[in-house]
Amino acid sequence: DQQVKQNSPSLSVQEGRISILNCDYTNSMFDYFLWYKKYPAEGPTFLISISSIKDKNEDGRFTVFLNKSAKHLSLHIVPSQPGDSAVYFCAASVWTGNQFYFGTGTSLTVIP
Amino acid sequence: DVKVTQSSRYLVKRTGEKVFLECVQDMDHENMFWYRQDPGLGLRLIYFSYDVKMKEKGDIPEGYSVSREKKERFSLILESASTNQTSMYLCASSLRGLSSYEQYFGPGTRLTVT
Repeated sequence: DQQVKQNSPSLSVQEGRISILNCDYTNSMFDYFLWYKKYPAEGPTFLISISSIKDKNEDGRFTVFLNKSAKHLSLHIVPSQPGDSAVYFCAASVWTGNQFYFGTGTSLTVIP
Repeated sequence: DVKVTQSSRYLVKRTGEKVFLECVQDMDHENMFWYRQDPGLGLRLIYFSYDVKMKEKGDIPEGYSVSREKKERFSLILESASTNQTSMYLCASSLRGLSSYEQYFGPGTRLTVT
């Protein structure tokens, strides 16, 4: 059973606009969340994380929002650039655990 | 920079063959992981290891085994390859402690079983 879900397989956005990628989870024990970015023929690379004691974490153009009551997190990219075109995975973990559970990924295309 | 390397980028094997996928990390990480990535299914954990000679099953261990004889090296073994094991295989490593740490991934091995 998929504990982390990304319901949008793909997303297209114009360059300069905001990209919003969504992720839902079912396990209320999860308290640490990450976003990874993956280019074709490469492994995923870590992008940004957030723990459940926060509801927002920002790093440059990337901001992750966490809504614990809704079991929902989102990644905002502003402004979007063509180099952001990639597959984005969200992942969740229990803070004291070693295993991450990954979503199915959202393929973002930023149109120049 | 953390570096995780995988022995092959592309591999083609026949049904029934024994297949070894090797992964090496150079950052003295305690944890190592093997995932497979399939369209529409994301990354699914096959096995992970938190120490030399230690292993834990992930979500889909059937048909696979692992070996960790040295801290830096984690091998995935397909005892008798089948066509449904055609996939992208990703190795990752991370620190181990009281909390979760981000994982660093290798470039992946695209395995085709014919």
